[in-house]
Amino acid sequence: EPEVTQTPSHQVTQMGQEVILRCVPISNHLYFYWYRQILGQKVEFLVSFYNNEISEKSEIFDDQFSVERPDGSNFTLKIRSTKLEDSAMYFCASGASSGGAGEQYFGPGTRLTVT
Amino acid sequence: QKEVEQDPGPLSVPEGAIVSLNCTYSNSAFQYFMWYRQYSRKGPELLMYTYSSGNKEDGRFTAQVDKSSKYISLFIRDSQPSDSATYLCAMSEVKAAGNKLTFGGGTRVLVKP
Repeated sequence: EPEVTQTPSHQVTQMGQEVILRCVPISNHLYFYWYRQILGQKVEFLVSFYNNEISEKSEIFDDQFSVERPDGSNFTLKIRSTKLEDSAMYFCASGASSGGAGEQYFGPGTRLTVT
Repeated sequence: QKEVEQDPGPLSVPEGAIVSLNCTYSNSAFQYFMWYRQYSRKGPELLMYTYSSGNKEDGRFTAQVDKSSKYISLFIRDSQPSDSATYLCAMSEVKAAGNKLTFGGGTRVLVKP
């Protein structure tokens, strides 16, 4: 069964460093998302991506964040200068349907620890 | 008022019992309703997906949506210890270029053998 994969599973970085989190969405999906979950808190939307551009972003997704789909399979989230409060689980999700509807399938997540 | 509210639990039931979970929401524009299961430090796993109001059944799982009351439910029949997890409701509006999911905080469920 197709699934979303994410690498690395755990990333430790120092404050101020840049990190890139990688995702391989399900191959025929058209819509791509990043969410994050701070320990003990809700899953929060960061950004949606469709047709090679950002379709929506949250207040969390400020200038320190960027997303890219560099080729036909990968989808990346870059945090330019990490802060302590960026420590969280980051989930990539993808969805198939045209018109924006449809289920979203999540990857296993990358645990980001900023020290 | 929070956009999506969900009782955090924990909800403890004996094996074989029916698990009953629910969420309330305030945004009347929500049209898609999902239930996810999440094990500790893992990604959310999609269980059920419903559009607008009504019931949907899949194996041991039944999802109900009552848009007039802004209330959704998930029932798990014949619960098993492997059903012990956190259950998240999520919902979204209808948009052309991707649906931002708004999640509840999750209900922790413990099924005791």
